[in-house]
Amino acid sequence: KNEVEQSPQNLTAQEGEFITINCSYSVGISALHWLQQHPGGGIVSLFMLSSGKKKHGRLIATINIQEKHSSLHITASHPRDSAVYICASLNFGNEKLTFGTGTRLTIIP
Amino acid sequence: EAQVTQNPRYLITVTGKKLTVTCSQNMNHEYMSWYRQDPGLGLRQIYYSMNVEVTDKGDVPEGYKVSRKEKRNFPLILESPSPNQTSLYFCASSLSPLGQGVTYEQYFGPGTRLTVT
Repeated sequence: KNEVEQSPQNLTAQEGEFITINCSYSVGISALHWLQQHPGGGIVSLFMLSSGKKKHGRLIATINIQEKHSSLHITASHPRDSAVYICASLNFGNEKLTFGTGTRLTIIP
Repeated sequence: EAQVTQNPRYLITVTGKKLTVTCSQNMNHEYMSWYRQDPGLGLRQIYYSMNVEVTDKGDVPEGYKVSRKEKRNFPLILESPSPNQTSLYFCASSLSPLGQGVTYEQYFGPGTRLTVT
């Protein structure tokens, strides 16, 4: 059974800092999904990636298939980036998603 | 406006009283899925559907039923709710199944907070 772990669980940083959130999984997967959950509870998809790197604005997601590891980076962090960031692995051969428990990010002005 | 809607948003009910949480999307998406979110456990997938009349179990399907009779709707049915089904439920949809090579994002509904007493 695939297990997905995120680190750190909580992260507090100053505005402008470069942020890295890590996600590791235990078995081979077909893709890795990054989500953002706002303080109000709403969930937004950020990235789905199966190899290499993807970038959207100040957000960058990378995945290393051999090491079973993905990272989410935020450049020039801003208080509006404060949220819970969740990674989820997509199993091979089906559409099952296994989620990490999330990283709570707080950016202080 | 492209969106996923869920109803009701909040529900308090009693053990054993059948209920349905509706989910509807207006984007002609093929893929739809239900998740529950619990403190300390995070999000867990209940059921998913890759198209009309095609549904499959996620990680925690026990105590739930789903149906996909039309593309836009994917209701979640609790035939006999129990207190351990108290949770925050999210429905989501995607243009195509997530693993089909072209990886589309998921659109999430606003969530339904269910309390079973």
